[in-house]
Amino acid sequence: EIVLTQSPGTLSLSPGERATLSCRASQSVSSSYLAWYQQKPGQAPRLLIYGASSRATGIPDRFSGSGSGTDFTLTISRLEPEDFAVYYCQQYGSSLTFGQGTKLEIK
Amino acid sequence: QITLKESGPTLVKPTQTLTLTCTFSGFSLSTSGVGVGWIRQPPGKALEWLALIYWDDDKRYSPSLKSRLTITKDTSKNQVVLTMTNMDPVDTATYYCAHVLYAAFDYWGQGTLVTVSS
Repeated sequence: EIVLTQSPGTLSLSPGERATLSCRASQSVSSSYLAWYQQKPGQAPRLLIYGASSRATGIPDRFSGSGSGTDFTLTISRLEPEDFAVYYCQQYGSSLTFGQGTKLEIK
Repeated sequence: QITLKESGPTLVKPTQTLTLTCTFSGFSLSTSGVGVGWIRQPPGKALEWLALIYWDDDKRYSPSLKSRLTITKDTSKNQVVLTMTNMDPVDTATYYCAHVLYAAFDYWGQGTLVTVSS
């Protein structure tokens, strides 16, 4: 089973800053099968990125995904107040796993 | 417009079997490429994938929970059912069902909190 390790565990930034979230896989992941989600308290997760770099419907272009192999990155170019949340990466290879999450909090 | 909604008991006793139903609209599970999955989240913890079922009845399970899970679909009712046997307090979680797009979950239900306690 592929283990996804997200870093940092918590990221403290201010609105307007750039956020870079990392997701590292224990084995190579097909880029087609790497996704990112945003979750706010009391809500279901929301798909942001699929296929490592494709934005889901309605996702603002300040969100971008990149990476390949074992290293993937979610970048939020300029943080808006509504972007402070928990972010998860997910892969679907031989099985399906989620990372443990990165909490993006207001500094 | 795709919507999904989970239903089932909010409280189960240890050793009991949990049965959850996902009722959806806006898509058909008889359409090629379509799938529905179940994911859970213990309070304050990360997401954990449980199971997937596709339009062709292909079923996938989390390796760590495979022996306890069964996923089925009723295309005519637009429902997917997940059963989990031998429930334990560590299975207390919010259980979500979600529509699958390109190996990702693009539409989610609101989730249902299941508590396991005697």
